[in-house]
Amino acid sequence: QKEVEQDPGPLSVPEGAIVSLNCTYSNSAFQYFMWYRQYSRKGPELLMYTYSSGNKEDGRFTAQVDKSSKYISLFIRDSQPSDSATYLCAMGEDSSYKLIFGSGTRLLVRP
Amino acid sequence: DTGVSQNPRHKITKRGQNVTFRCDPISEHNRLYWYRQTLGQGPEFLTYFQNEAQLEKSRLLSDRFSAERPKGSFSTLEIQRTEQGDSAMYLCASSDIGISYEQYFGPGTRLTVT
Repeated sequence: QKEVEQDPGPLSVPEGAIVSLNCTYSNSAFQYFMWYRQYSRKGPELLMYTYSSGNKEDGRFTAQVDKSSKYISLFIRDSQPSDSATYLCAMGEDSSYKLIFGSGTRLLVRP
Repeated sequence: DTGVSQNPRHKITKRGQNVTFRCDPISEHNRLYWYRQTLGQGPEFLTYFQNEAQLEKSRLLSDRFSAERPKGSFSTLEIQRTEQGDSAMYLCASSDIGISYEQYFGPGTRLTVT
């Protein structure tokens, strides 16, 4: 079993929809939680990060962490075709600086 | 552009050859990381440096792999005697020592071993 599980998709939604992306994890030592966006053949781009539990909002993006359920989410409001990409969750422990990534969810926003 | 840069962007080599990749981090960042990503997977951690010291290495980093950061600035990743299974995207990231969980990635070097 992988430490971080993420549905690969693809997830196809119409423009303007609210998108929900999720990851589950097994390591209770994870304390920081990241979301990256990756376009085809490009490097990952940091979107959001959260330390420990709680919510964080940045424009159209909201990240949520539920440590009791070992579950994290990224919500995208008013989705745009330019949001079409692979979304990667990543996590880390306080004792190490390496990030453990999910396999990514491919999102397609249809015009 | 002050982001992370990587060279070359694409490398094609024959099995058994040695290859070297270069990463230039964001200038004020003390920590530098190497990851490997294969198709349909997320990046996997290989190693990281704080200044010139290599502080952690993954079991994925076999004896054929070596990374250096001689002056605490740019880093190189060398793969000796390449194998077809080494074909992947090699990603470099950097972070500020104070906020190490904010890792910023470069565009990657795509390695194809024929």
